[in-house]
Amino acid sequence: GIQVEQSPPDLILQEGANSTLRCNFSDSVNNLQWFHQNPWGQLINLFYIPSGTKQNGRLSATTVATERYSLLYISSSQTTDSGVYFCAVEPHTNAGKSTFGDGTTLTVKP
Amino acid sequence: DSGVTQTPKHLITATGQRVTLRCSPRSGDLSVYWYQQSLDQGLQFLIQYYNGEERAKGNILERFSAQQFPDLHSELNLSSLELGDSALYFCASSVATQGPNYGYTFGSGTRLTVV
Repeated sequence: GIQVEQSPPDLILQEGANSTLRCNFSDSVNNLQWFHQNPWGQLINLFYIPSGTKQNGRLSATTVATERYSLLYISSSQTTDSGVYFCAVEPHTNAGKSTFGDGTTLTVKP
Repeated sequence: DSGVTQTPKHLITATGQRVTLRCSPRSGDLSVYWYQQSLDQGLQFLIQYYNGEERAKGNILERFSAQQFPDLHSELNLSSLELGDSALYFCASSVATQGPNYGYTFGSGTRLTVV
């Protein structure tokens, strides 16, 4: 099946810093999503971004489908950004089966 | 509130028992997905339903089954429970299976503890 690798696995930042999270995948995809799992376990959809660039406030994401990677940018980080960020991809060859990466655990310190 | 309702929030049961987890999708969403999240396996896809029909299947154990009813709510049945089935079970819904409006909305999950 498709392989999804997220980096870095862990990231510690001071409040106000910027960060870039990466998601590499091994096959062509129909869909790609970024999620944030907060410390209470809730999974929040950040972006649906199979290709191109999107922005939502301090967050933006870029997917380069031809090179099989996606980036999530967090600017001016806040303590509420802490949690785990997951990338989920649905391969062309397995429609409906989104595979999640292992996530990047972000800790933002005040 | 995401609009996806999962019940119960917590469940503690003994090995060998059977439980049913329920999910009501967001209004207007036709697709329902079930995922299992455990510490050692991460988020694992179990099964997808679209408008009442099974659409895709992951590595779902034979002891597990699911269905989506005409009102679009879904139930995940777990039987002959083992200690290793202890996990968070998430349901997600989406309005379609692809296209510009695609995107999962997750419920808050059911935490299952098998003792």
